[in-house]
Amino acid sequence: EPEVTQTPSHQVTQMGQEVILRCVPISNHLYFYWYRQILGQKVEFLVSFYNNEISEKSEIFDDQFSVERPDGSNFTLKIRSTKLEDSAMYFCASSERARKSTDTQYFGPGTRLTVL
Amino acid sequence: DQQVKQNSPSLSVQEGRISILNCDYTNSMFDYFLWYKKYPAEGPTFLISISSIKDKNEDGRFTVFLNKSAKHLSLHIVPSQPGDSAVYFCAARDSGGGADGLTFGKGTHLIIQP
Repeated sequence: EPEVTQTPSHQVTQMGQEVILRCVPISNHLYFYWYRQILGQKVEFLVSFYNNEISEKSEIFDDQFSVERPDGSNFTLKIRSTKLEDSAMYFCASSERARKSTDTQYFGPGTRLTVL
Repeated sequence: DQQVKQNSPSLSVQEGRISILNCDYTNSMFDYFLWYKKYPAEGPTFLISISSIKDKNEDGRFTVFLNKSAKHLSLHIVPSQPGDSAVYFCAARDSGGGADGLTFGKGTHLIIQP
């Protein structure tokens, strides 16, 4: 069964450093997403991406964040200068169908980001 | 801002009995609802969904009920099995309004007792 994959599973970085989290969405899916879950809190939407551009972003997704699809399979989230409060699980998701429809988002296993 | 609320942080049910997980929402624009299951150190796994044009959707042991007037949905699992022990998240989306992102509840930790 196709699945979303994410690398690395755990990333430790120093405050102020740049990190890139990687995801491989399900191959025939058109929409890609990033979510995060701070320890003890709920899963929060960050950004969606379609047709090589951002479709929607939340208030959390500020100028420190960027997303990219550098090739036909990878989807990345970059945090330019990490802060302590960026420590969280970051989940990538993908979905098959177009916006404004009842499609389902499938999630990857997550990357645990620890900022020291 | 808790547009999706799961008021029970945990629920303990005996194996073989029915598990009922509840979810309330405040945003009347939500029109698509999903339940995800999550094991530790894994991502959320999709279980079942329901559109606001329906009041019930069933898939095997899982049934989701939607009460739009009460802004309430519930997930029924019957019979409950040990492998059902996990955290269950309710999520909602305003698909008609063009929103892409899902709004999640805080989750309910379901524990199936042998």
